[in-house]
Amino acid sequence: GAGVSQSPRYKVAKRGQDVALRCDPISGHVSLFWYQQALGQGPEFLTYFQNEAQLDKSGLPSDRFFAERPEGSVSTLKIQRTQQEDSAVYLCASSSTGTPYEQYFGPGTRLTVT
Amino acid sequence: AQKVTQAQTEISVVEKEDVTLDCVYETRDTTYYLFWYKQPPSGELVFLIRRNSFDEQNEISGRYSWNFQKSTSSFNFTITASQVVDSAVYFCALSGTNSGGYQKVTFGTGTKLQVIP
Repeated sequence: GAGVSQSPRYKVAKRGQDVALRCDPISGHVSLFWYQQALGQGPEFLTYFQNEAQLDKSGLPSDRFFAERPEGSVSTLKIQRTQQEDSAVYLCASSSTGTPYEQYFGPGTRLTVT
Repeated sequence: AQKVTQAQTEISVVEKEDVTLDCVYETRDTTYYLFWYKQPPSGELVFLIRRNSFDEQNEISGRYSWNFQKSTSSFNFTITASQVVDSAVYFCALSGTNSGGYQKVTFGTGTKLQVIP
């Protein structure tokens, strides 16, 4: 595809459910970033992959959050036992180098936990 | 620690007016990058500009211009002759180099611009 795609675009989960959010980066992009954007706020860094290696997960808010990119392309962000405070838009971005130059963002997944 | 402050939460202007969005940043890195992104109602962040810390030359791109002043740690964004299509949330962002050799981006809280026809 021409850009970064994310699915689903919208997800409603009941408190306590597990969810999985998918990111398809631009083909060939080495770097992949996940961000969390709460309502009315700027995106906040969650985690970074270079190919399949997760080099930084310092932004993950709790051990309920887990991300993977097993083959260095598609990435999945998993949230276990969702809580209301997890409600946010989750953005994925990719870039062709190890730095966020010209970082390309996907449309995001809006997660609502009820 | 890095910090980006966008003091203007919301701005409303009438179409064709000029508008400046303010951005002030804090970083201890000597090498860093500054960005502006646009987030229209559709939600997707659109890259507008990147500027590195060694290049203080102002830049103009059509109706958009950016004023980088290292002395005041500011990177302001001006839209000339605003149009309704400029209505969006605009984010200023900053990245530095961490020990892992890559750059983590810190975003401001955004300024919502409404251009009234």
